[in-house]
Amino acid sequence: QSALTQPASVSGSPGQSITISCTGTSSDVGGYNYVSWYQQHPGKAPKLMISEVSDRPSGVSNRFSGSKSGNTASLTISGLQAEDEADYYCSSYTSSSSLVFGGGTKLTVL
Amino acid sequence: EVQLLESGGGLVQPGGSLRLSCAASGFTFSSYAMNWVRQAPGKGLEWVSAISGSAGSTYYADSVRGRFTISRDNSKNTLYLQMNSLRAEDTAVYYCARAIVGAIRHAFDIWGQGTMVTVSS
Repeated sequence: QSALTQPASVSGSPGQSITISCTGTSSDVGGYNYVSWYQQHPGKAPKLMISEVSDRPSGVSNRFSGSKSGNTASLTISGLQAEDEADYYCSSYTSSSSLVFGGGTKLTVL
Repeated sequence: EVQLLESGGGLVQPGGSLRLSCAASGFTFSSYAMNWVRQAPGKGLEWVSAISGSAGSTYYADSVRGRFTISRDNSKNTLYLQMNSLRAEDTAVYYCARAIVGAIRHAFDIWGQGTMVTVSS
């Protein structure tokens, strides 16, 4: 199972909005509404930001939102803040009853 | 406070074995599926294995199937990962992670701090 495709890096200025894409196939992203997004700061454990495409767990800022179109899922962060600078990973359930992650995207807040 | 605490990592030679543990607290352990996710140094996340709350079902990534065994002791609120025939490419930080309610392995809402496993001669 190949990793989902994410851009290696994205950047934005404070207050701006950015979107991170996550591209898979009809056997994973496109086939199930089981896409999640995680934030990981250096040296820390990942944190769940979005589950099941667009569900935001309690305690996660409403500046974070998720969506999906076809085989591509997206994470949008609005009102960018300095503390949003981190690595972001998407994941998806797959037709082989497995879970696959994206390669990760480094978000830089300028 | 909901918490997961891994232990058991360390340096092991290729072909060797290691058993990781993950102690859970602050929630009804048996009500949740649990998973192991690993991250090689400087690399991305890789799902390793999952087990249902009752331990009746287990799941493995192709890369570890036949070498790793996931298990749990609900009376001790502890998750395990027995790793045999270890290879250099198994070197990683291993995280235990709780699946969200109603899921087994598609989203994880609680993560431990991780334990490092290094496979090297």
